[in-house]
Amino acid sequence: AQSVTQLGSHVSVSEGALVLLRCNYSSSVPPYLFWYVQYPNQGLQLLLKYTTGATLVKGINGFEAEFKKSETSFHLTKPSAHMSDAAEYFCAVSDPNDAGGTSYGKLTFGQGTILTVHP
Amino acid sequence: KAGVTQTPRYLIKTRGQQVTLSCSPISGHRSVSWYQQTPGQGLQFLFEYFSETQRNKGNFPGRFSGRQFSNSRSEMNVSTLELGDSALYLCASSLLPNTEAFFGQGTRLTVV
Repeated sequence: AQSVTQLGSHVSVSEGALVLLRCNYSSSVPPYLFWYVQYPNQGLQLLLKYTTGATLVKGINGFEAEFKKSETSFHLTKPSAHMSDAAEYFCAVSDPNDAGGTSYGKLTFGQGTILTVHP
Repeated sequence: KAGVTQTPRYLIKTRGQQVTLSCSPISGHRSVSWYQQTPGQGLQFLFEYFSETQRNKGNFPGRFSGRQFSNSRSEMNVSTLELGDSALYLCASSLLPNTEAFFGQGTRLTVV
């Protein structure tokens, strides 16, 4: 079974500072990896995803993440935080080989990290 | 292109009642998944449908059920509601399984 661990349930940064949200996964095979953002009373919006190919993935709103197989990590970064980045962020994995090949679109989520941006 | 539409947005039900939530996927998407989001348990997978067939099911009791229609619209039903069923229920649609999932705004269910 897969699992996702997001280190730090709350992260606080100043506007203009580096954003680093950590995500580690456990999976027997390299999974598909995703970062989603959720604003209050809203659904989830996909920021970026890794499936195959280049391990550094660029997403929307200036976010990027790097898949490091040796560290089983997929940390999310943004060079300069903006007030509008304040939200909850979720890391998720999808493993096509889970449960005998029947996982299809099942996403396993981390517990989420609330990002606060101070002026 | 319209996004994923979930109805209703808010619901208040009494313990013991049943409830049906609806999800209309993005036009052309054939895969629909459902998730429950609570402060204590986070986001948990309920089930996934593709071409009217349930392809995968999460670890929830049989009170939780769903179905998908030929137009890919999906419904989920919760019978004999318990207080712990209070949650935000999210629907996601994908063109195909294991492709990018687009989420609706969710239905917030409160059980009193």
